[in-house]
Amino acid sequence: AQSVSQHNHHVILSEAASLELGCNYSYGGTVNLFWYVQYPGQHLQLLLKYFSGDPLVKGIKGFEAEFIKSKFSFNLRKPSVQWSDTAEYFCAVKSSGAGSYQLTFGKGTKLSVIP
Amino acid sequence: EPEVTQTPSHQVTQMGQEVILRCVPISNHLYFYWYRQILGQKVEFLVSFYNNEISEKSEIFDDQFSVERPDGSNFTLKIRSTKLEDSAMYFCASRQREGTDTQYFGPGTRLTVL
Repeated sequence: AQSVSQHNHHVILSEAASLELGCNYSYGGTVNLFWYVQYPGQHLQLLLKYFSGDPLVKGIKGFEAEFIKSKFSFNLRKPSVQWSDTAEYFCAVKSSGAGSYQLTFGKGTKLSVIP
Repeated sequence: EPEVTQTPSHQVTQMGQEVILRCVPISNHLYFYWYRQILGQKVEFLVSFYNNEISEKSEIFDDQFSVERPDGSNFTLKIRSTKLEDSAMYFCASRQREGTDTQYFGPGTRLTVL
């Protein structure tokens, strides 16, 4: 069974600070990887995803993530956070095999950005 | 931009009662999902649905749960006899097709079982 670990429960940063949120997954096969964001009172939205190709993927709002296969990691980064990035961030993995539909989520990391 | 919608936003029920949570997926999507998130815990997969049948389900999705697409637009999750531990946020998601498509999530229904 696959699992996802997000190391930080709550991260507090000042505006303009750099962000890196850790995500490690456990699964023996080929995976698809995702970062979702949930702004206060809103639904889960896709930030970025990795299926294949360039392991450095760029998403919306200046976010990027790097897939490091040897480390089973897919860390999320942003060079300079804004107050509007305050939200909860979820890493998720899906087996890329046929017939597998479910996303497995991490517990989420709450990001608070102080103006 | 089309969105997944869910009703109600908050449902309060007594233990043992049946509840039906409703979702309207994005109109040209073919794959539908339910997830739940118990307060303070991770988002967990419940079930996926395609071509009018369940394609995958988790251990959580026992006989107390059922899903239905009654009319070609709605996608419902029924809990027959709710338990206290069913209290959670329930998210519906939909996806257009297989492969690299994204799952789009609804805003969730908060279910409180008293």
